[in-house]
Amino acid sequence: EAGVTQFPSHSVIEKGQTVTLRCDPISGHDNLYWYRRVMGKEIKFLLHFVKESKQDESGMPNNRFLAERTGGTYSTLKVQPAELEDSGVYFCASSYGVEQFFGPGTRLTVL
Amino acid sequence: RKEVEQDPGPFNVPEGATVAFNCTYSNSASQSFFWYRQDCRKEPKLLMSVYSSGNEDGRFTAQLNRASQYISLLIRDSKLSDSATYLCVVTFYNTDKLIFGTGTRLQVFP
Repeated sequence: EAGVTQFPSHSVIEKGQTVTLRCDPISGHDNLYWYRRVMGKEIKFLLHFVKESKQDESGMPNNRFLAERTGGTYSTLKVQPAELEDSGVYFCASSYGVEQFFGPGTRLTVL
Repeated sequence: RKEVEQDPGPFNVPEGATVAFNCTYSNSASQSFFWYRQDCRKEPKLLMSVYSSGNEDGRFTAQLNRASQYISLLIRDSKLSDSATYLCVVTFYNTDKLIFGTGTRLQVFP
């Protein structure tokens, strides 16, 4: 069974540009989560979808971040405009029950 | 104060050693507790859940002390393949979001 997949694996952009990250959860998982790890810090929650609805977006840092999950399948996370402090690894996770399964992450570097 | 605190390590131990990691959490309303393992530049993977009664999975034993807000992980007979970062993770009541510690790095040497 395929795990959680994320695209791209790496992205290098300049400050002010826009980047869109994609996450494909495990098939059948209604819950989809976004997390972020900035260098030297712990992994932090960004938001949680249940199907296409945002259940909890308390971790979204500001309005430069927009997450969508149209149709309740894959999700995108757009950062516009990107700032230097947005650099880090963005993880997506999905779950059916308690255990959250993580994708390999997207490493974002903002120059 | 961080919500979940861990000693970052690294812990360098020889093969066959027993090693213990500790973790404290600040929110007494924390509901569920986990240890995740993360290999270098990989995603976190669930190692085991932690229950109040303590639980064991092979060489791994996890303990929870709610009164002291303290979680531990004991690894017996360490293997080279145990080298990784071990993440202490909690959730709060009525929410699924995982709250991570910064992780404790373990390096097992031959």
